[in-house]
Amino acid sequence: SQKIEQNSEALNIQEGKTATLTCNYTNYSPAYLQWYRQDPGRGPVFLLLIRENEKEKRKERLKVTFDTTLKQSLFHITASQPADSATYLCALPHAGNMLTFGGGTRLMVKP
Amino acid sequence: DAGITQSPRYKITETGRQVTLMCHQTWSHSYMFWYRQDLGHGLRLIYYSAAADITDKGEVPDGYVVSRSKTENFPLTLESATRSQTSVYFCASSANRDRGRFFGPGTRLTVL
Repeated sequence: SQKIEQNSEALNIQEGKTATLTCNYTNYSPAYLQWYRQDPGRGPVFLLLIRENEKEKRKERLKVTFDTTLKQSLFHITASQPADSATYLCALPHAGNMLTFGGGTRLMVKP
Repeated sequence: DAGITQSPRYKITETGRQVTLMCHQTWSHSYMFWYRQDLGHGLRLIYYSAAADITDKGEVPDGYVVSRSKTENFPLTLESATRSQTSVYFCASSANRDRGRFFGPGTRLTVL
């Protein structure tokens, strides 16, 4: 069956360090992968989309990689700040119009 | 205000009652979606719509009904609410199916 795995344990890092979150998937052949940020009590916010033919994509302090051989995406936040503390979700398309979300990883950046 | 809005933001109802959650977007996005988010299950797609008058089932459609007579509105109706439908409901829209989804603030629904 199709599965998207994100580390369910919170990731705690020190301010200024690089945070790296992982999204692994099985039984998908996605044409792209998306990352979202969700703060408590709010809806997810779209951050980045990376396509299968793109190895890496950057947006400000964010960097996403997409390895279709390993079936993995890595999400990096460089020079992390306490304001980056949130839950980060990856999402993959399937069955045409559907987007399936992983369970998310909570990131805590300590000052 | 531009964007995507949901109403009500909070709703308490009783088992067996009909409840309608409203969703409105001002971007004229073609696609609209309804998700529910529960601890242990994450975000799950209930229904989606590719355009006005076109709707289709998602992963967990049972017990829900949708309609889309206008591009900007996508109401979700629970015909006879059950306790298992207690959840946070998010509406989302996107310009195209392979674009990012833009989510509303959510409706927290409690069914007693």
